[in-house]
Amino acid sequence: AQKVTQAQTEISVVEKEDVTLDCVYETRDTTYYLFWYKQPPSGELVFLIRRNSFDEQNEISGRYSWNFQKSTSSFNFTITASQVVDSAVYFCALSEAYSGNYGQNFVFGPGTRLSVLP
Amino acid sequence: NAGVTQTPKFQVLKTGQSMTLQCAQDMNHNSMYWYRQDPGMGLRLIYYSASEGTTDKGEVPNGYNVSRLNKREFSLRLESAAPSQTSVYFCASSGWVDMGNTIYFGEGSWLTVV
Repeated sequence: AQKVTQAQTEISVVEKEDVTLDCVYETRDTTYYLFWYKQPPSGELVFLIRRNSFDEQNEISGRYSWNFQKSTSSFNFTITASQVVDSAVYFCALSEAYSGNYGQNFVFGPGTRLSVLP
Repeated sequence: NAGVTQTPKFQVLKTGQSMTLQCAQDMNHNSMYWYRQDPGMGLRLIYYSASEGTTDKGEVPNGYNVSRLNKREFSLRLESAAPSQTSVYFCASSGWVDMGNTIYFGEGSWLTVV
């Protein structure tokens, strides 16, 4: 069965600090997709990134970077030089490409609440 | 870029009242979903529709019904609202984008049952 664990419930940092949000997943499929979503205080869920299992290249987008390591089943998210606007709940998610229950194949972690203090 | 649109954004109901949450997507996605999110909690799947004409129960379907009206629209109905259904409801759709399946969410509907 697929599972996503985000062990960090809450993290507080001071502005300009770097912060890493951890995500560990479990899946039996060889082809799967990993995601990060941001939920700011306004409540909407914003898609940040999808990583395919066959592409272990790390990705950088501005201050955001993602480290995908199949060997440790992790897909960690780093924010460099954090800003107050980064304060949000961040969800990691997993989707199996060949899940028998196609419609239910998105599994979300419990989320990590990040507070960036000025 | 509308994406996933859901209405209403806010609603207050009395116990026992009924209401329907509407959702539409303009991304030509096959699959649509309804999730609920309780304070400080993650997302729980209520119902989903893998394709037009099909619907299936998710993790927490009790007290809800859904209708996949067409490919674009997927509504969620509360027949007799209960305080336990006070929550934020998210509609979502998923489709194949850039060699992978991705799920996108509406802005959420805040429902309070008193």
